[in-house]
Amino acid sequence: AQKITQTQPGMFVQEKEAVTLDCTYDTSDQSYGLFWYKQPSSGEMIFLIYQGSYDEQNATEGRYSLNFQKARKSANLVISASQLGDSAMYFCAMREGPNTDKLIFGTGTRLQVFP
Amino acid sequence: NAGVTQTPKFRVLKTGQSMTLLCAQDMNHEYMYWYRQDPGMGLRLIHYSVGEGTTAKGEVPDGYNVSRLKKQNFLLGLESAAPSQTSVYFCASSFWVNIQYFGAGTRLSVL
Repeated sequence: AQKITQTQPGMFVQEKEAVTLDCTYDTSDQSYGLFWYKQPSSGEMIFLIYQGSYDEQNATEGRYSLNFQKARKSANLVISASQLGDSAMYFCAMREGPNTDKLIFGTGTRLQVFP
Repeated sequence: NAGVTQTPKFRVLKTGQSMTLLCAQDMNHEYMYWYRQDPGMGLRLIHYSVGEGTTAKGEVPDGYNVSRLKKQNFLLGLESAAPSQTSVYFCASSFWVNIQYFGAGTRLSVL
């Protein structure tokens, strides 16, 4: 069965430093998609970045990049130059299979950025 | 630029009461979803819809019903609320199997 694991319940990082949030996944499908969402204290879920299983290059979106290691089944989120506004919960999610629309979410990592 | 709008934002119910949560999207997305989020857990899919007039069960459908009479709206109903349904409910929409865009959530307490 497909599964997403986020082993870091909480992380701390100093402002302007980079931080990596871990995500491992388990699937037997060859075609799948990986997503990261941010949930600030206000509660909304904000899409950050997407990586397709056949994408050869790691996805990047501004200060966010996804370190995709297919053989290890990991899809870590890297935030460069952290800002205080990055403090939030971060969820990794996977779309199971090539034509399905359902997402499976991990339990999340709470990131705290301090000055 | 509304995106996905959920109403209400907060609600308190007594056990056995019923209510409907409304989700509206203005992005002309075919797919819509209802999730629930509980402490220490990720989001879990309740029901979803791949188009007007269609609905399907997700991971945790028991105790909920849904309807998609119009493409832009997806309703989540609780016929007889139970304390176990205390949660934060999120609606999302997407254009086919693509990025899902979420509403701001509805915080529901069942006493």
